[in-house]
Amino acid sequence: ETGVTQTPRHLVMGMTNKKSLKCEQHLGHNAMYWYKQSAKKPLELMFVYNFKEQTENNSVPSRFSPECPNSSHLFLHLHTLQPEDSALYLCASSQGRDSFPYEQYFGPGTRLTVT
Amino acid sequence: AQSVTQPDIHITVSEGASLELRCNYSYGATPYLFWYVQSPGQGLQLLLKYFSGDTLVQGIKGFEAEFKRSQSSFNLRKPSVHWSDAAEYFCAVGASTDSWGKLQFGAGTQVVVTP
Repeated sequence: ETGVTQTPRHLVMGMTNKKSLKCEQHLGHNAMYWYKQSAKKPLELMFVYNFKEQTENNSVPSRFSPECPNSSHLFLHLHTLQPEDSALYLCASSQGRDSFPYEQYFGPGTRLTVT
Repeated sequence: AQSVTQPDIHITVSEGASLELRCNYSYGATPYLFWYVQSPGQGLQLLLKYFSGDTLVQGIKGFEAEFKRSQSSFNLRKPSVHWSDAAEYFCAVGASTDSWGKLQFGAGTQVVVTP
């Protein structure tokens, strides 16, 4: 595997379900990001981890719970979601804190549908 | 706070014709600027980046962009468009003072290529 991978690619879940999205980067990076991409809206940054330290939570509802066990893996745990949470969830990685340039490399995304 | 504006939501161009996508940013310090492309059902792919130096930067797939500080712009160009260039294009800006590497994305420009 190369680059940034995400599993699953597609997920359909009910509002009462609990599921997790997984992201793995094979680039030796230290920072990882979760974004939400909804139709007709700019990318929304949800969470940032840098050397496993979470730095950002842009007013994301608590039904989204991130986990970063190491610099290569990032999870997004989902529970009791709402239909408006249906979107493409993108994971990205970069070299990390104080390491310019810090362009981000993206995974293919998980298309989430909440029914 | 930094912001990015992509004035054109949708552009239609004929195959073989030139393409220019506009990006304007608002930021007080030195910005780091990026262009990404997203094909349907895929993540974002980095086309090119500007940090400093030569204001005309070359990227992948024959794209180039020019940084104009006086106009706060970073427009993307391609001299001759191929059908495979049909996609959505995102401009992004990063802050030189942000050690976490966060990026602000524009809303995107959808490019349609006609025969």
